[in-house]
Amino acid sequence: GIQVEQSPPDLILQEGANSTLRCNFSDSVNNLQWFHQNPWGQLINLFYIPSGTKQNGRLSATTVATERYSLLYISSSQTTDSGVYFCAVDRGGYNKLIFGAGTRLAVHP
Amino acid sequence: KAGVTQTPRYLIKTRGQQVTLSCSPISGHRSVSWYQQTPGQGLQFLFEYFSETQRNKGNFPGRFSGRQFSNSRSEMNVSTLELGDSALYLCASSEGNSYEQYFGPGTRLTVT
Repeated sequence: GIQVEQSPPDLILQEGANSTLRCNFSDSVNNLQWFHQNPWGQLINLFYIPSGTKQNGRLSATTVATERYSLLYISSSQTTDSGVYFCAVDRGGYNKLIFGAGTRLAVHP
Repeated sequence: KAGVTQTPRYLIKTRGQQVTLSCSPISGHRSVSWYQQTPGQGLQFLFEYFSETQRNKGNFPGRFSGRQFSNSRSEMNVSTLELGDSALYLCASSEGNSYEQYFGPGTRLTVT
């Protein structure tokens, strides 16, 4: 089956710093989503981005489908950005998301 | 629109019991997917339902089952609970194939 790898596994930042999270996937996909998991466990949708580039405030994402990777950029990080960021892909079209292991981000004041 | 809702939010069961979890999708969404999250295995796909039909199933034993009703609400059932079934169970809804999925808050199941 398709493999999803996220890097780095852990990231520690000072408030105000920028960061780039990476997601590599091993096959073509129909869907790619980025999520932020809050401390209570809920997955918050950040981007639905099977290809192209999108921006939402301090966050932006780029997926290069032909090269099978996606990047999530966080600028001017805040302590509220702390948590785990997941990349997930769907290859078969039946809404079966395959998740990466996540990047655990800690932003210190 | 209201988001995806899951009940109950927390549950404590004893090994050998069974449990039923419920998920109400976003209005108009016909697809409901279920996922299990554990510290050791991460987030894993359980199954997906669309218009009351199970279309896809993950690598879980037959003790894990589900169903979807005509109003798109879905339930999952775990029989003969094991300690390893302790996990956060998340459901997600979507308008259709490969559309964006939206997740509920999850049900945290503890098996003692």
